[in-house]
Amino acid sequence: GNSVTQMEGPVTLSEEAFLTINCTYTATGYPSLFWYVQYPGEGLQLLLKATKADDKGSNKGFEATYRKETTSFHLEKGSVQVSDSAVYFCALNEDRGGAQKLVFGQGTRLTINP
Amino acid sequence: KAGVTQTPRYLIKTRGQQVTLSCSPISGHRSVSWYQQTPGQGLQFLFEYFSETQRNKGNFPGRFSGRQFSNSRSEMNVSTLELGDSALYLCASSSQRKLLWDMNTEAFFGQGTRLTVV
Repeated sequence: GNSVTQMEGPVTLSEEAFLTINCTYTATGYPSLFWYVQYPGEGLQLLLKATKADDKGSNKGFEATYRKETTSFHLEKGSVQVSDSAVYFCALNEDRGGAQKLVFGQGTRLTINP
Repeated sequence: KAGVTQTPRYLIKTRGQQVTLSCSPISGHRSVSWYQQTPGQGLQFLFEYFSETQRNKGNFPGRFSGRQFSNSRSEMNVSTLELGDSALYLCASSSQRKLLWDMNTEAFFGQGTRLTVV
């Protein structure tokens, strides 16, 4: 079946450092890809998405490019802030005859120190 | 526009009891999905409803069930609770249509219901 693999955390960085969180996927067809973020005590918020190969999703300084050849969707940010501390989930949308299902990676906990 | 609302936010139940969780989707959204989040298993799909019909179901025992009403509000029920059912239960809604080629769907999540089974 479809699956998503994220780099293991936790990841700890200093403020203004460059961030990369790796995400690779296994899927039949061409799923949409997403990054969700979860702050403490909260649900999931969509951070960015890409719906086809070579699409770049971006939001709040975060970017990720849908790479079909490497089946990857790595999350990057040039300069992180303390407020970016959260858990990040990579996910794909599995479409089975119209029925929707998100398949998530295991999550990467990010801590940014001032 | 109001977001996805889940009630209650917190629940404590005893083993063997049953529980019902509620989810009100964003107005106009007809697809509602449920996910279980635990530290060990991460985020796992429970089921998805569209226009009162269950379209997809994850690998959970029959103790987990759900339904959707004509106003798209959804409930999930867990019977004969076990300690391992302690988790954050998340509901997501989307405006996804039935068309297979609708690739711009995104899911909006509620804050979740934290269920603790003691």
